[in-house]
Amino acid sequence: DAKTTQPNSMESNEEEPVHLPCNHSTISGTDYIHWYRQLPSQGPEYVIHGLTSNVNNRMASLAIAEDRKSSTLILHRATLRDAAVYYCILRARAWSNQGGKLIFGQGTELSVKP
Amino acid sequence: DTAVSQTPKYLVTQMGNDKSIKCEQNLGHDTMYWYKQDSKKFLKIMFSYNNKELIINETVPNRFSPKSPDKAHLNLHINSLELGDSAVYFCASRPTGGGNEQFFGPGTRLTVL
Repeated sequence: DAKTTQPNSMESNEEEPVHLPCNHSTISGTDYIHWYRQLPSQGPEYVIHGLTSNVNNRMASLAIAEDRKSSTLILHRATLRDAAVYYCILRARAWSNQGGKLIFGQGTELSVKP
Repeated sequence: DTAVSQTPKYLVTQMGNDKSIKCEQNLGHDTMYWYKQDSKKFLKIMFSYNNKELIINETVPNRFSPKSPDKAHLNLHINSLELGDSAVYFCASRPTGGGNEQFFGPGTRLTVL
């Protein structure tokens, strides 16, 4: 199973952008890069995913390196509600024998200061 | 309306007992999962079902038996509970046709005494 490496923790100030890095040097050509986050005492929540191109949605942006060995989740304006553990995950194609399972790493615990 | 629900939210029991955790999703998804989050916060997949058929079993002890009576439900039965089974168990579902987003339930915190 492909693995990801993330910093254990990061701090941000409210209303400022946050860049959460992720290294995935063993990514295969068919692995999708997914980001989930887990707020305290809740289940994980989907944030964004991508394959090769940068992606934007209402929650965040995902910047993927050209060689796909790293990616960065960008929260454009952090709020207190964004304090959570952010997981960068490589997900095999859903129709493979991996069944679309998510393999979580240790994640990055983001704290947001007012 | 809750998309993925789990019952109970908390479960405290003695070693050696048998217990079940229920999961239901009202999203019409075909694929459902069970994940375990241990005390160190690592989330690990346990099982996956697609249309009531088991497709992933991540070398979980056979004391754990998932059951899917229909594609909206995936229950987890645990026999002979051990101290090491204490964890938070999350159910999740994924849209039909290989959709990318998994929807997680709120979790069941199991404490084995």
